[in-house]
Amino acid sequence: GENVEQHPSTLSVQEGDSAVIKCTYSDSASNYFPWYKQELGKGPQLIIDIRSNVGEKKDQRIAVTLNKTAKHFSLHITETQPEDSAVYFCAASMGGSARQLTFGSGTQLTVLP
Amino acid sequence: NAGVTQTPKFQVLKTGQSMTLQCAQDMNHNSMYWYRQDPGMGLRLIYYSASEGTTDKGEVPNGYNVSRLNKREFSLRLESAAPSQTSVYFCASSDQPGTYEQYFGPGTRLTVT
Repeated sequence: GENVEQHPSTLSVQEGDSAVIKCTYSDSASNYFPWYKQELGKGPQLIIDIRSNVGEKKDQRIAVTLNKTAKHFSLHITETQPEDSAVYFCAASMGGSARQLTFGSGTQLTVLP
Repeated sequence: NAGVTQTPKFQVLKTGQSMTLQCAQDMNHNSMYWYRQDPGMGLRLIYYSASEGTTDKGEVPNGYNVSRLNKREFSLRLESAAPSQTSVYFCASSDQPGTYEQYFGPGTRLTVT
């Protein structure tokens, strides 16, 4: 099955700096790569996603890049703010009947004021 | 529109006891999922239901059973709880075949002593 590795496990940045989280996946059949944000005590929430036919996608301060050849994708957050502090998960999906997701192990991002 | 709801929020069980975790969604989604979240391991898929009337095993199904009661409800049962099942459990749903996005409930924190 699919295996997704995520790094780093913890990341601290100063407010206003950029943050980058990286993930690699194992199965070249994966074609959908979402990023979820989980705030303390809540369920994960989708913040951005990318499909395998696209190399980069941006939404205001967040962007995701995908390198299919190397099988890795990254989340970029610019001009970080304290409210960006949370756990971020990457995931990959090969589609299938229910489009199951395989998640990375998560990154605890702390934005220091 | 409540989204995905889960009951209970917290539960403490003794080893060997049984219980059912309830999940309901009001978004008319076809697919539903059960995950467990353990520190440093991300979210792991236990069972999923691609559509009403179907259920399939995920990555970590041992010790669990599920029932897709109707389109809205998907329950997870622990027949004989073990300390290894101490975890936070999340239910999610998605709209098939429209999008890949999964919407998560607030979670159930289960402790087995």
